Amino acid sequence: GAGVSQSPRYKVAKRGQDVALRCDPISGHVSLFWYQQALGQGPEFLTYFQNEAQLDKSGLPSDRFFAERPEGSVSTLKIQRTQQEDSAVYLCASSLVVKQTNNYGYTFGSGTRLTVV
Amino acid sequence: AQSVSQHNHHVILSEAASLELGCNYSYGGTVNLFWYVQYPGQHLQLLLKYFSGDPLVKGIKGFEAEFIKSKFSFNLRKPSVQWSDTAEYFCAVISEYGNKLVFGAGTILRVKS
Repeated sequence: GAGVSQSPRYKVAKRGQDVALRCDPISGHVSLFWYQQALGQGPEFLTYFQNEAQLDKSGLPSDRFFAERPEGSVSTLKIQRTQQEDSAVYLCASSLVVKQTNNYGYTFGSGTRLTVV
Repeated sequence: AQSVSQHNHHVILSEAASLELGCNYSYGGTVNLFWYVQYPGQHLQLLLKYFSGDPLVKGIKGFEAEFIKSKFSFNLRKPSVQWSDTAEYFCAVISEYGNKLVFGAGTILRVKS
């Protein structure tokens, strides 16, 4: 598609419930990133994929968070046993290349707003 | 670790006023710098970026930013704001060895018509 697509747009989960958030990057984009944006904050890095390989997961806040990109295109961020502090907007971004140059950059999706009640 | 500091969380201006949003980063090496904008209900969009060369960078919609290496700053400017510039603005940095953006906390700009 023309942009990065994320679904669902909104998700309300009861505390303790598992959730799965989907990201469809731009076709052919090698790099895929997940960010978490809490209310009133800037996006914070969660994890990075280069094709299907998860090269950096240093930002995942706990072992309840898991991400995958099995075929190097669509990615899923899964949160197990959700807690109230997981409430945030989860952003996905993709990039054509591995290393940023002057000609390329990230394209962000619209995000999934997760509310844990 | 890299960090980005944006000085003002909320800015209110009247139309036609000049805008300057401050951004400072902490990283001693070579960096790539970005300003993103998020209009209400929309996704993050790139305003402008600096990789190398002329430290005065011009972006879309009349925005510009100046990279001052000695001050670790990358302030965003616009000579005359419009009501449609109401949005949240994020400064971000990538180190030369990395590829993940580190964002500031954002500045919410409201332009009164």
